[in-house]
Amino acid sequence: DAKTTQPTSMDCAEGRAANLPCNHSTISGNEYVYWYRQIHSQGPQYIIHGLKNNETNEMASLIITEDRKSSTLILPHATLRDTAVYYCIVSSYNNDMRFGAGTRLTVKP
Amino acid sequence: DAGVIQSPRHEVTEMGQEVTLRCKPISGHNSLFWYRQTMMRGLELLIYFNNNVPIDDSGMPEDRFSAKMPNASFSTLKIQPSEPRDSAVYFCASSLPQGNGYTFGSGTRLTVV
Repeated sequence: DAKTTQPTSMDCAEGRAANLPCNHSTISGNEYVYWYRQIHSQGPQYIIHGLKNNETNEMASLIITEDRKSSTLILPHATLRDTAVYYCIVSSYNNDMRFGAGTRLTVKP
Repeated sequence: DAGVIQSPRHEVTEMGQEVTLRCKPISGHNSLFWYRQTMMRGLELLIYFNNNVPIDDSGMPEDRFSAKMPNASFSTLKIQPSEPRDSAVYFCASSLPQGNGYTFGSGTRLTVV
């Protein structure tokens, strides 16, 4: 049973912001939202995580709705190297991560 | 910091042979995870360890699969006997108890012919 729902694919123009949505309507109070990405056959790479407040780091921003039922990962200025599959995961803090199908983001010139 | 180190990077073996995949987690990380990735099934969690102790092996597909973590710096995933349907990329990941997510290795691409 999938805990998250993500669009299968998205496109974004190079230099523009990429906004990747994720629905997690059954999230529990102690579960965090994690984002990872996987660039073509490499190991997944951790991006960011949050509980209920918005978070920002050098890679991205994470916006979580007040009811915590959905979130958006924002890549502020997408580059061609951001083309990857992006996974949204809900999990207790650093507990086992179950990956779904993710969103395939294609950044176009 | 060399990251999570997996070996070998590629393995081709014949059906029925024993295969051993190896993983060295990042020093200081106390959790270790084994994943398998295929086109059909995506990324599947096979087993994970906390402080060298197996916590959840419910993802291990069959008794042919076994995993060990004899110390904090080494883990193995063994398949015996191997079958063509075991062909996949196997990833190892490690994490701190209060860390920011997992760090994955580069994976081992296993082909069983």
